Amino acid sequence: NAGVTQTPKFQVLKTGQSMTLQCAQDMNHNSMYWYRQDPGMGLRLIYYSASEGTTDKGEVPNGYNVSRLNKREFSLRLESAAPSQTSVYFCASRSIRQGRYNQPQHFGDGTRLSIL
Amino acid sequence: GQQLNQSPQSMFIQEGEDVSMNCTSSSIFNTWLWYKQDPGEGPVLLIALYKAGELTSNGRLTAQFGITRKDSFLNISASIPSDVGIYFCAGPSNSGNTPLVFGKGTRLSVIA
Repeated sequence: NAGVTQTPKFQVLKTGQSMTLQCAQDMNHNSMYWYRQDPGMGLRLIYYSASEGTTDKGEVPNGYNVSRLNKREFSLRLESAAPSQTSVYFCASRSIRQGRYNQPQHFGDGTRLSIL
Repeated sequence: GQQLNQSPQSMFIQEGEDVSMNCTSSSIFNTWLWYKQDPGEGPVLLIALYKAGELTSNGRLTAQFGITRKDSFLNISASIPSDVGIYFCAGPSNSGNTPLVFGKGTRLSVIA
């Protein structure tokens, strides 16, 4: 029962390096999300994909790009990492059905990213 | 956009005490969700509420959907050390494809 799987779990980068964070879900959810969590800031939405083939900016999209590779996978890319992007990154997924009760999001265990 | 105000920001309590925290929104919600985040892990859903006035329990946890539909409460009875973590409230602004809105969390510390 994997749920939402994120890789890697930890990563250290140098300023200017690029990196892709991977996320996959096995719950057949149509919507997927990327958040960053910093002390005292809660969860801030970076990008989301409401359905396969669509992506939208969230609250803090600058410096990031995303790809919804297929229904299962949603990746987050840092093209040129900066120290301000040091954070814990969470991927989440959710099933959205029109006219149905709002379904909760399911989260992965996070990627801890440090940029020196 | 939607905002959720969660309080208190942090709590230090003795083991065995009861805990109350709440969340208020700037507009009406049709769903309230409560999550817990253990240290080093992702948030996990505790309780989902779908009707105004609804009271739902999950073990020692009880959550209520406020009748104004702009607030929700989470109570933990007889706290134990494993209750330590960050508790988040969340809700959607509508039933469409917009992402959930999260509060900034209540950090709970339990002193044995």
